This record gives sequence, structure tokens and C-alpha cells, in this order.
Amino acid sequence: EADIYQTPRYLVIGTGKKITLECSQTMGHDKMYWYQQDPGMELHLIHYSYGVNSTEKGDLSSESTVSRIRTEHFPLTLESARPSHTSQYLCASSVAVGTAGYTFGSGTRLTVV
Amino acid sequence: QKEVEQDPGPLSVPEGAIVSLNCTYSNSAFQYFMWYRQYSRKGPELLMYTYSSGNKEDGRFTAQVDKSSKYISLFIRDSQPSDSATYLCAMARGNQFYFGTGTSLTVIP
Repeated sequence: EADIYQTPRYLVIGTGKKITLECSQTMGHDKMYWYQQDPGMELHLIHYSYGVNSTEKGDLSSESTVSRIRTEHFPLTLESARPSHTSQYLCASSVAVGTAGYTFGSGTRLTVV
Repeated sequence: QKEVEQDPGPLSVPEGAIVSLNCTYSNSAFQYFMWYRQYSRKGPELLMYTYSSGNKEDGRFTAQVDKSSKYISLFIRDSQPSDSATYLCAMARGNQFYFGTGTSLTVIP
């Protein structure tokens, strides 16, 4: 079944650790996105990619980095986690805006202690 | 000023009620209008998608867009407890998406 997968679902990690949040999709979508979601706040775009070897920063300043070596894979890395990085991270993909919008993963709930 | 404004609620209604969820926006360049439903501990899922003014119906859900007033609505008829979720409106121009903060809905059996 075509879908988008995020791992881990939940992560509690100590300050200063390096972490990678995984995102994979099986739909062959060119466009992929990372959003940050906090309670009562709108989703904030932190990174996006329109294809292999193409990545851009989003509207929200972020200390994370991303890579897009394969169409289906779009991991997000935090080199040194801080408590301010505690949030829900959502990965999404789309064919194009003019079709069916985004397909979202289930999210990774990150807590940095 | 935010691009998209959405009343966060929370909204609590009895089963069978008609629910109205609303968003306003400031940018007349938005081309596409969407509603997403997000259950607790899940990612948002696309519920309705439209690119023109007027109404679009899908089962118990009706999406309404009024571009002249910069206002969109989602109506849920015969609401069910399974409709309890957070509903996010979203708008897009080009490849840029803008989301509302979400409205939390609880349908009481």
C-alpha cells in the first residue's frame, strides 16, 4: 500500500545528542517536506525538497539539516539536540500542489531532556 | 498578521449536530483550499480539497469557499463521535502551503 512512514514515533533524548528522524514514502512523490507542529500553533515548514539532490530551508529557522539522495527517503538530522527542539515533527509528500495536497506521515514526537 | 486565521476552539457538540468550522485568510493569491483532519497522535489526513469558490460535498462533509470574503468553511452533518479530532484548514499558492492552527472538535455520544 502506498504510504509515508516516519520513525521513530516517539523519541526521548539527552541534550547534545545527534539524532536522525527518518521519513520514507512509497508513492514516488517528487516533493517532500518537514513540518514542526506545536500545540495550538500552525504547522511550520522547516525543510523541503522538490527532487533528488534538491533541498531548501523553509520559513521557520531550524538548526536541523536534511538530505535527499533517493526519491523515497528524506531524513532530518539534528547535530546537537536541545530542549528547544522538543516538538512534533511531521513529514509530508506531494505530487504537485495542483492535485491532491499533501500526504502526511504519523509524525515523530521528540522530547529533549 | 497571519496568513491564515482559524478559531482554535475547543468545540464540543452532541452526536448528530451540524458542525461548522471556519478559516479566514488575508492573501487573495491563494489558489487551493484544503481541510485536514488530525486524530490524536497521528499526522493530518486530507479531507477536502477545492480550488474554486462555491461548495464541494463529500458524504457528510461540505467544503465552502468564498474568495470574495476570503473565508472558507467546513460543514459536518450528522456528526459522529468518530469525527472527534482537530481540523486544520490549509491554503496554497504555487508550491507554498499555509496552515491554520487547527480547531479541536469533540462529538459527545
